[in-house]
Amino acid sequence: AQTVTQSQPEMSVQEAETVTLSCTYDTSESNYYLFWYKQPPSRQMILVIRQEAYKQQNATENRFSVNFQKAAKSFSLKISDSQLGDTAMYFCAFMKRSGAGGTSYGKLTFGQGTILTVHP
Amino acid sequence: DVKVTQSSRYLVKRTGEKVFLECVQDMDHENMFWYRQDPGLGLRLIYFSYDVKMKEKGDIPEGYSVSREKKERFSLILESASTNQTSMYLCASSRFSGNTIYFGEGSWLTVV
Repeated sequence: AQTVTQSQPEMSVQEAETVTLSCTYDTSESNYYLFWYKQPPSRQMILVIRQEAYKQQNATENRFSVNFQKAAKSFSLKISDSQLGDTAMYFCAFMKRSGAGGTSYGKLTFGQGTILTVHP
Repeated sequence: DVKVTQSSRYLVKRTGEKVFLECVQDMDHENMFWYRQDPGLGLRLIYFSYDVKMKEKGDIPEGYSVSREKKERFSLILESASTNQTSMYLCASSRFSGNTIYFGEGSWLTVV
């Protein structure tokens, strides 16, 4: 079974500054995906960024980037030039990759979440 | 645009009532999921389904059941609601081997 741990229940940052959210995970799988989801007050889950474990290059999406350390089982999210609209709950999540060993059916294992507040 | 629709956003039910939470997706996805979200615990998988009439237990199935009679619809059933089932429930869907999961907007359930 997989576990995902987010050790920061709450974080805050000033507008335009940079913030990093931490995530560690534990798995015996070698092929998997890691995700960061954003959940604003509307509660709609929004995919922020996805990393495929077999890719060494860290994923980037505009102001969002990850630091993926496979050996350390660490997957942090960096938000640059923070904006007020980034205020949300952020979840780190793990998915086993479907392949010769069977399908994952898309099941996600989530961390506890980090509430990020961006201050003007 | 994929849409996952949860029919009820806010419900208040009494202890012992039978509760149905409905979810419909419009993209012909094979996989559908029910998660429960609680503060400090993140989202936890209750049940999932990878085909019509097929269902598998997730991590916290106790006190819940599900029904998938049609591909687009996945229902979560609380046979006898209890106060510890007060929570936010999120439905999601995806393609069979897909890694993009689409979420509904959530259903807030309060059991009194």
